[in-house]
Amino acid sequence: DAGVIQSPRHEVTEMGQEVTLRCKPISGHDYLFWYRQTMMRGLELLIYFNNNVPIDDSGMPEDRFSAKMPNASFSTLKIQPSEPRDSAVYFCASTQGAVNEQFFGPGTRLTVL
Amino acid sequence: AQSVAQPEDQVNVAEGNPLTVKCTYSVSGNPYLFWYVQYPNRGLQFLLKYITGDNLVKGSYGFEAEFNKSQTSFHLKKPSALVSDSALYFCAVRQYNFNKFYFGSGTKLNVKP
Repeated sequence: DAGVIQSPRHEVTEMGQEVTLRCKPISGHDYLFWYRQTMMRGLELLIYFNNNVPIDDSGMPEDRFSAKMPNASFSTLKIQPSEPRDSAVYFCASTQGAVNEQFFGPGTRLTVL
Repeated sequence: AQSVAQPEDQVNVAEGNPLTVKCTYSVSGNPYLFWYVQYPNRGLQFLLKYITGDNLVKGSYGFEAEFNKSQTSFHLKKPSALVSDSALYFCAVRQYNFNKFYFGSGTKLNVKP
């Protein structure tokens, strides 16, 4: 298995631009999570899906952030418009069932200038 | 409210000595507990988990953790540290019947030769 796949690995953009981060979970996993990691705030859960349905988006910081999961093998996290304070590493993780561990992707390092 | 505390930002240990990384949690009901490790510029990797049963859990790379219900702790241990164990370690808790993971702030482990 290829594991959780994220793209791009690095993204540099200018303030005000739209940014789209992509994630392919492990096949057969029914939960997908988006996290943001910064030095100041640590690892923050943004949103998670179960069977492609958003369950908890209470961690999404603002309306500028949105996430979708159109099918079991693909999810996107979009920031529009982006701001410098959005600079962070964004991780996608997936898991199967209620007792299992999460598998993390390699992350996308976002820099907003 | 559910939470995880890692009281030490950093732990320093000499190679060959035993190591302990501390974790305490607060969760309603029975917890599912996890340890993850993160190497620089990488995603989090699963080390071990406690779901039920024996309080001493063995995991990857010689690590183990002890679940203590009365002290609500799940400390990570290794009998003999390696320089290659130097990394960032995260404790996480998942509440029974809920699928949201709560992560600690992370502990940086430094193993010196």
